[in-house]
Amino acid sequence: EPEVTQTPSHQVTQMGQEVILRCVPISNHLYFYWYRQILGQKVEFLVSFYNNEISEKSEIFDDQFSVERPDGSNFTLKIRSTKLEDSAMYFCASSAGYPPGTEAFFGQGTRLTVV
Amino acid sequence: RKEVEQDPGPFNVPEGATVAFNCTYSNSASQSFFWYRQDCRKEPKLLMSVYSSGNEDGRFTAQLNRASQYISLLIRDSKLSDSATYLCVVLGGATNKLIFGTGTLLAVQP
Repeated sequence: EPEVTQTPSHQVTQMGQEVILRCVPISNHLYFYWYRQILGQKVEFLVSFYNNEISEKSEIFDDQFSVERPDGSNFTLKIRSTKLEDSAMYFCASSAGYPPGTEAFFGQGTRLTVV
Repeated sequence: RKEVEQDPGPFNVPEGATVAFNCTYSNSASQSFFWYRQDCRKEPKLLMSVYSSGNEDGRFTAQLNRASQYISLLIRDSKLSDSATYLCVVLGGATNKLIFGTGTLLAVQP
């Protein structure tokens, strides 16, 4: 069964450092997403990406964050100058996008710990 | 009002019990609704979509009431393996983003 894969599974970084979280979406999917979940809290939408550009982003997704699809398979989330409050589980998801309501598949997540 | 609201629980039930979860959503224009399941420190996984006519998948039944903006999930004959957090999810925005409720924690006791 096709799946979304994320690397690394766990990343520890020092405050102020930059991190890149990587995702390989399902190959024929068109919509890509990043979500985050702070421990004990709900899953929050960060950004959606379609046709090689950001199509929607949340208030959380400020200038500290960026996304990129550098080649035909990878989808990355970069966090510049990490803060303690960026510590969370980051989930990548992808969807075929059509028909509306098509299931979004989630990767297993990257646990980011900022120290 | 929160976009998607759920009772956080926890719901502690014995094996074999029937348990119901409720959810409300604020955007009346929402078109698609789901229940996801999330195990501790794992990714959300789709449990079932929710349709206006109601739908059933084995021991699980989902209902949608558009007039009340209310979604429910019924689990019959609970198993130990049903212990997880159940996430009410609404599809929103122009880009099919998922909007999650806080989740309801279910603990099925032997």
